[in-house]
Amino acid sequence: KQEVTQIPAALSVPEGENLVLNCSFTDSAIYNLQWFRQDPGKGLTSLLLIQSSQREQTSGRLNASLDKSSGRSTLYIAASQPGDSATYLCAPLNDYKLSFGAGTTVTVRA
Amino acid sequence: ETGVTQTPRHLVMGMTNKKSLKCEQHLGHNAMYWYKQSAKKPLELMFVYSLEERVENNSVPSRFSPECPNSSHLFLHLHTLQPEDSALYLCASSRERGMNTEAFFGQGTRLTVV
Repeated sequence: KQEVTQIPAALSVPEGENLVLNCSFTDSAIYNLQWFRQDPGKGLTSLLLIQSSQREQTSGRLNASLDKSSGRSTLYIAASQPGDSATYLCAPLNDYKLSFGAGTTVTVRA
Repeated sequence: ETGVTQTPRHLVMGMTNKKSLKCEQHLGHNAMYWYKQSAKKPLELMFVYSLEERVENNSVPSRFSPECPNSSHLFLHLHTLQPEDSALYLCASSRERGMNTEAFFGQGTRLTVV
C-alpha cells in the first residue's frame, strides 16, 4: 500500500519568500505524480502533473521535481504571495489509484 | 472551474434520511471517482468507475451506494448514515482510469449527519 508523507505539515512565510514543499512516497512504481492545491472547505485544484519519465515540470511560478527511484517529489513556489495560502497535496498514481498525503498548509503573510 | 460539478455543496441529514450526491463532468472523461475527506485525515478513495462499470470498491459500507448511469454522471446514494460519516465528499474524473492522465476534482459536498 502506497504511503505518502508531506513535510512540513505547516509553513508560515512572509510575502516574497520562496517555498519548498516536500513529498515522499514508499512505492516507487508510479505512473505519474500530481500536485494539488486545496482552499479551506473546497475541492482540489490540479497544479502540476509530472510523468514518471520526467524529472521536472514547470508552470509559471511553480516547479515540481521528481526523483522516482528515491520516492521523492518537491514543489517549489517562487516569490510567494498571500493568494498562495492554501493546503498543498501531492498524489502519486500507481496501481490505477491516486494516494494522498495529509498535505502542507501554507500561510503567506502580507 | 475544473469542469467537474458537484451538487449540493452542503447537506445536513438525519441518520434515518435518504439523500443523494450528484457529480457531473463534461470533459469527455471515461473514469469517475468518489473520495471521502474527513477532518485531519488524507483523502480516501471510495469508488472507481471506468466506462460506467464499477471497478473498485474500497471496503465502503453498504450505506453508501454509487451509481453511474452514463460516463458524464455519477451519484452517491446515502441511507442510514452515522455521525462519523460527516465529511467532505469529492468527485473526480480522468480521461482514462490510471496511467498518465490527469485527475480533475469537483468542489465537493460538505455532508453533516446529525
